[in-house]
Amino acid sequence: DGGITQSPKYLFRKEGQNVTLSCEQNLNHDAMYWYRQDPGQGLRLIYYSQIVNDFQKGDIAEGYSVSREKKESFPLTVTSAQKNPTAFYLCASSAYFWRELNTGELFFGEGSRLTVL
Amino acid sequence: KNQVEQSPQSLIILEGKNCTLQCNYTVSPFSNLRWYKQDTGRGPVSLTIMTFSENTKSNGRYTATLDADTKQSSLHITASQLSDSASYICVVSATGGNNRLAFGKGNQVVVIP
Repeated sequence: DGGITQSPKYLFRKEGQNVTLSCEQNLNHDAMYWYRQDPGQGLRLIYYSQIVNDFQKGDIAEGYSVSREKKESFPLTVTSAQKNPTAFYLCASSAYFWRELNTGELFFGEGSRLTVL
Repeated sequence: KNQVEQSPQSLIILEGKNCTLQCNYTVSPFSNLRWYKQDTGRGPVSLTIMTFSENTKSNGRYTATLDADTKQSSLHITASQLSDSASYICVVSATGGNNRLAFGKGNQVVVIP
């Protein structure tokens, strides 16, 4: 079945460590996104990528990095510079960037919960 | 700043009862509005989309309404089931080059037997 796979589901990190969250899609979508979800808050955009080898900062990119070397993969690295990294991270994709921004048609993964000890 | 406000923040309803969730937005110029359902610890799944010209749209026991003049939308759940326990997120899109979707904080619904 086509979809978006995020791993790991749960991750624990010590302060000062970098961690990388995986996001893989087999939907042949051009655009991919990373969101952060905190209790009582709406989803906030971290980074997005319209096509391979291109990505743009979202609203809360500080302390995060991404790469888009392959169409199906968009990993997110949470660096030690991120002051409050404990959160639920959601990866999403859409067939086309601009069209889906107008329709909001995003397909989400199951999420990764990161906890900093 | 484009904003989406949802109410109530949370509610508890008895199985079989109906409930209505509200979404008010200030996004402009408006393109469309989606309701997503997010089960605990899972990713959001789209329920329905409302465009400017649509007033009502149903998806099974879920019925969404839109009043573009007052910038309000509602999601009505009929004959609630235990599986309806989830967060319902209102997402509004704007036309133009904003490059962003505006997400509400969600309505947390708990259905009890």
